[in-house]
Amino acid sequence: DIQMTQSPSSLSASVGDRVTMTCRASQSITTYLNWYQQKPGKAPRLLIYTASSLQSGVPSRFSGSGSGTDFTLTITSLQPEDFATYYCQQSYSTPYTFGQGTKLEIK
Amino acid sequence: QVQLQESGPGLVEPSETLSLTCTVSGGSISSYCWSWIRQPPGKGLEWIGYICNSGSTKYNPSLKSRVTISVDTSKNQVSLKLTSVTAADTAVYYCARVGGGNSGYPLDYWGQGTLVTVSS
Repeated sequence: DIQMTQSPSSLSASVGDRVTMTCRASQSITTYLNWYQQKPGKAPRLLIYTASSLQSGVPSRFSGSGSGTDFTLTITSLQPEDFATYYCQQSYSTPYTFGQGTKLEIK
Repeated sequence: QVQLQESGPGLVEPSETLSLTCTVSGGSISSYCWSWIRQPPGKGLEWIGYICNSGSTKYNPSLKSRVTISVDTSKNQVSLKLTSVTAADTAVYYCARVGGGNSGYPLDYWGQGTLVTVSS
């Protein structure tokens, strides 16, 4: 199985800040990397697919980059609704696997 | 707009079989693969498996011996069966659509999830 490791596990930031979180795969997954946002009691929501493509309806302050084994999710100008947990997921090979999540909290 | 809705018992006894249904509306079930994912309370996400329009399936090896995913195209439903459940199978269970290959197979539409508790 491909292991996905996210860092940091938690992150404190303020409204208006720019934040970056990372995801590392245990082997190359080219760009088969997706990012999801999950709020408490809600289903995950797809933000970014194929490492850098913005899902329809997702604000442009979200962006993704990377290829191979190292990926980043960047949120510019944090909004109150962005405080949530973020998961990366590889769809390169089954079993699909998720990172353990990065919890973004209000400072 | 594609919508997914999970349904099924919220409480299952240990050693019994967990059975859930995902009803898809707003789109054809035949054109995509459909996945189940679960999330134990307070923990991360675990992919269970998927079924495609051809009927082909892929399962997580950690659950493979206990899982069956099936599809009923006449009802636009995807089903999950998990046998011999234990307390470790207590989780919120989600169904999700697997996006096409040109988008790298992301899980692009999700149901709201349903909590299944395994307890006597």
